[in-house]
Amino acid sequence: AQTVTQSQPEMSVQEAETVTLSCTYDTSENNYYLFWYKQPPSRQMILVIRQEAYKQQNATENRFSVNFQKAAKSFSLKISDSQLGDTAMYFCAFTFRTGANNLFFGTGTRLTVIP
Amino acid sequence: NAGVMQNPRHLVRRRGQEARLRCSPMKGHSHVYWYRQLPEEGLKFMVYLQKENIIDESGMPKERFSAEFPKEGPSILRIQQVVRGDSAAYFCASSPGTGGRLADEQFFGPGTRLTVL
Repeated sequence: AQTVTQSQPEMSVQEAETVTLSCTYDTSENNYYLFWYKQPPSRQMILVIRQEAYKQQNATENRFSVNFQKAAKSFSLKISDSQLGDTAMYFCAFTFRTGANNLFFGTGTRLTVIP
Repeated sequence: NAGVMQNPRHLVRRRGQEARLRCSPMKGHSHVYWYRQLPEEGLKFMVYLQKENIIDESGMPKERFSAEFPKEGPSILRIQQVVRGDSAAYFCASSPGTGGRLADEQFFGPGTRLTVL
């Protein structure tokens, strides 16, 4: 069975500081994608960043970067220079590269950026 | 290019009634996914459809739930004889599914929040 674990239900960070959200997953497959989604109070799901498992280089998108450790099945999200607009639920997810491509989600981490 | 559209945004039903949730994928997208989000939980996959075909419904409850994606018109998630436990946010996502690096990227709609009284 495929599982995604986010062990931090809630986190907070001071504005302009850096925060890291953790995620581990379990799958026997070798070909997959990993994602971080943001869900602000509007409840819209917004893709933050994606990582292809066959790539060793960690993905970056402006202030967002990941630390992908394939052997450890770990996929953490680092947010630099945190902004008030980063306050949201953050979900880690993965999908297989072939097949149905449905996403498996973790239970989320609620991040609050403190002014 | 409009994003994924879902309606209604909020739906209130009494126990035993039917709920119909609609999803219009992004233009050019032929793949639709439905997910359910219970309060304080992550999204759980329900069903994956292509035009006129159900590809994977492994996440759908066996009774009362059905989904379709006709040749014309939106995808419909139908819940018959709703119960309080069906109260949740239901999200639809679409993807192009036409090959290439971003073929599988899913774009989400704003969700429908169903409340069963």
